[in-house]
Amino acid sequence: NAGVTQTPKFQVLKTGQSMTLQCAQDMNHEYMSWYRQDPGMGLRLIHYSVGAGITDQGEVPNGYNVSRSTTEDFPLRLLSAAPSQTSVYFCASTPDRGANYGYTFGSGTRLTVV
Amino acid sequence: GNSVTQMEGPVTLSEEAFLTINCTYTATGYPSLFWYVQYPGEGLQLLLKATKADDKGSNKGFEAIYRKETTSFHLEKGSVQVSDSAVYFCAPRADISNFGNEKLTFGTGTRLTIIP
Repeated sequence: NAGVTQTPKFQVLKTGQSMTLQCAQDMNHEYMSWYRQDPGMGLRLIHYSVGAGITDQGEVPNGYNVSRSTTEDFPLRLLSAAPSQTSVYFCASTPDRGANYGYTFGSGTRLTVV
Repeated sequence: GNSVTQMEGPVTLSEEAFLTINCTYTATGYPSLFWYVQYPGEGLQLLLKATKADDKGSNKGFEAIYRKETTSFHLEKGSVQVSDSAVYFCAPRADISNFGNEKLTFGTGTRLTIIP
């Protein structure tokens, strides 16, 4: 059981480049989300999805797009990378909206924008 | 919405010391409460949970009791080890079926360092 798989693990981009961070889960979880983690800022929610075809914005959505065409995949797109997007990105999933379930996190993507 | 206040870190303890990391929360409805742990270079892992008042969550020697009257969920361990060095996050999660979409938020976490 792979859980939540994120690729790539590391990435360096030049300012203005675009890229897609991949996230896939094999647990048939309904709810998926993207966070960024910065020193002293904790985890901040970028976008989330409550099911295939449904996405919504979190705290810090600017500069990022998401889509959810399947239950399994929830890619995060950086449209035009900026140095402020240098961060560690985590994808997380949970079975549904019920409060009793915890979240399963991927191992993260460390992104540097130069 | 949900919010959490955690003990400011970093926390440094000697091996075999007693650990308490404080957590108080505000949440919509009647939340479940979770502690997550993040080891260096890794993602967050669910450490323990409690789903209703007075429940005790426990795992790997860590414990936390759901205190509804004080809206707290303090993490404790009787004898810490070097391998417990990590960042710990407290996170309430409400059943949002009747409250719209969820935006689960985490605080900054508490960094714990255990010295041999």
